[in-house]
Amino acid sequence: GNSVTQMEGPVTLSEEAFLTINCTYTATGYPSLFWYVQYPGEGLQLLLKATKADDKGSNKGFEATYRKETTSFHLEKGSVQVSDSAVYFCALSEGGGADGLTFGKGTHLIIQP
Amino acid sequence: DAGITQSPRHKVTETGTPVTLRCHQTENHRYMYWYRQDPGHGLRLIHYSYGVKDTDKGEVSDGYSVSRSKTEDFLLTLESATSSQTSVYFCAMKDSYSGNTIYFGEGSWLTVV
Repeated sequence: GNSVTQMEGPVTLSEEAFLTINCTYTATGYPSLFWYVQYPGEGLQLLLKATKADDKGSNKGFEATYRKETTSFHLEKGSVQVSDSAVYFCALSEGGGADGLTFGKGTHLIIQP
Repeated sequence: DAGITQSPRHKVTETGTPVTLRCHQTENHRYMYWYRQDPGHGLRLIHYSYGVKDTDKGEVSDGYSVSRSKTEDFLLTLESATSSQTSVYFCAMKDSYSGNTIYFGEGSWLTVV
């Protein structure tokens, strides 16, 4: 079956540091890949997505590239802010039909001023 | 805003009582989902729906039932609540016209005492 593996953290960084959160996946087909963000006490918001190999998703300074050869979708940001403190979830979907999302366990990111 | 809301947002109930959580969408999407979120487990699929009166089980469906009598409403019922069902519950819908992106509601915090 499908699975997603990501570091759980917490990951603690100083403001303006470079961020990488690793995400690797196992899938039987050609999934779409997603990063969701969850701020304290809130629901999940879509951060970015990529639907095919070599696609790059980007939003709010975050980027991730769909790497089929390494089955990875690592999240990066060049300079983090305190407001980026949240839990980040990597997820995949096989695409059409009723297939839902398979999630990683989430990475808790803490940015210190 | 993605047009999906949940109610109630917070509830405390006693062991053995039935509880129903409601999910309402205004987007006319066919596919809807209920997930639960627990520390160390990420998000896990409880049930999903692929149309009115068409539902199926996810990976953690024991103790839960669902109903979908209208496209816009997807109800999750805990038939006899147990302390192990204390969790945060998220409803979601799939936008099949936008790269099969799944959007989440704000969550329902349920405590079973």
